[in-house]
Amino acid sequence: QSVLTQPPSVSAAPGQKVTFSCSGSISNIGNNYVSWYQQLPGTAPKLLIYDNNQRPSGIPDRFSGSKSGTSATLGITGLRTGDEADYYCGSWDSSLSAWVFGGGTKLTVL
Amino acid sequence: EVQLVESGGGLVQPGGSLRLSCAASGFTFSSYAMNWARQAPGKGLEWVSGISGSGITTYYADSVKGRFTISRDNSKSTLYLQMNSLRAEDTAVYYCAKSTTVVPDWFDPWGQGTLVTVSS
Repeated sequence: QSVLTQPPSVSAAPGQKVTFSCSGSISNIGNNYVSWYQQLPGTAPKLLIYDNNQRPSGIPDRFSGSKSGTSATLGITGLRTGDEADYYCGSWDSSLSAWVFGGGTKLTVL
Repeated sequence: EVQLVESGGGLVQPGGSLRLSCAASGFTFSSYAMNWARQAPGKGLEWVSGISGSGITTYYADSVKGRFTISRDNSKSTLYLQMNSLRAEDTAVYYCAKSTTVVPDWFDPWGQGTLVTVSS
């Protein structure tokens, strides 16, 4: 059972928009930054969003992040088949003194 | 280019030990915190441990506390994870990842991972 809660899967058609939710508590998302990671099949995770809504260089603006209270959201617009991957949210948990990840959401582009 | 390359994975019996290494290049290693995370087969990501740039401050997940030790050699730009009393549930791909501070806000980049299998 992950400290951060993510839906197991989402699906959408090419060209559409999709959102991923990540729910936590005051000790993690509520008081710390959220980051998001993309893990393509058979590869290492890659940073997509940091500090709730910032994109590293090289990440297209199709990817966006937001945070409100104890929840965070990742959005992807203009979906492509190459976006099929697992997406993880993460945050520091001040009560646990540990980093916590969500269980991950598998994106299927139909 | 920042690069992280893990090594040291393999097959080990339950109760055994293994030491993982992560060779870093492309940045001033001692200025950054480093972390280990793992992913069991078919499962999600789990953060394992983090260490400050100086090596003085460390954090561990409860699941490995008392069994795993993170360390670093800044003269060699190398991060280590000493794993003792290994259990079947420690079977995973282990990744090293760079963060700006020991209380991380994000991890970037990640290495390619090294597989640890705990089995008799």
